[in-house]
Amino acid sequence: DAKTTQPPSMDCAEGRAANLPCNHSTISGNEYVYWYRQIHSQGPQYIIHGLKNNETNEMASLIITEDRKSSTLILPHATLRDTAVYYCIVRVANRDDKIIFGKGTRLHILP
Amino acid sequence: EPEVTQTPSHQVTQMGQEVILRCVPISNHLYFYWYRQILGQKVEFLVSFYNNEISEKSEIFDDQFSVERPDGSNFTLKIRSTKLEDSAMYFCASASTDTQYFGPGTRLTVL
Repeated sequence: DAKTTQPPSMDCAEGRAANLPCNHSTISGNEYVYWYRQIHSQGPQYIIHGLKNNETNEMASLIITEDRKSSTLILPHATLRDTAVYYCIVRVANRDDKIIFGKGTRLHILP
Repeated sequence: EPEVTQTPSHQVTQMGQEVILRCVPISNHLYFYWYRQILGQKVEFLVSFYNNEISEKSEIFDDQFSVERPDGSNFTLKIRSTKLEDSAMYFCASASTDTQYFGPGTRLTVL
């Protein structure tokens, strides 16, 4: 079973920042927080991952709390193309390790 | 930007027939995976593959399934005798470090 808890759905206005929360209270010291998204039955798309420091790339920012029990994915300026299911995944950063997907958060970007 | 590609995009087959789903991983990646997603359900891990052998497989990956890397570029999933319940999206993924990148998927419809 997935080790994370996410709200089933969220709305965000186009052009605003979308903040997607994730709880992972049982995360282990060697586990990373990964975020993927899936746009309408396409393949899951990697967004970002981090261990304990906040991370930013061209797609998003990842804010991890100091106790590492929760995190927030931030899409700074959401567009309609960001409408997708967003998955927060906790896993060891091991090339062999499978990804266990939960149900994710269905993010609706409203025009 | 390098991408994982999959063919065909849609495969329709009769129950009991064999199907081969093809994937071309990102060229310098050495770790390969298959996942599937039944309509409306979660993405599920099937199998991981490294150094020409299976690293891990799920309960779903029974004797009807096999994987192969027949040459330096392709990675295939074979279903020997398809069942109605094999109808799903099948996603290939590859990794060089700890991040998996997914292909667009093959929609398999078993009639």
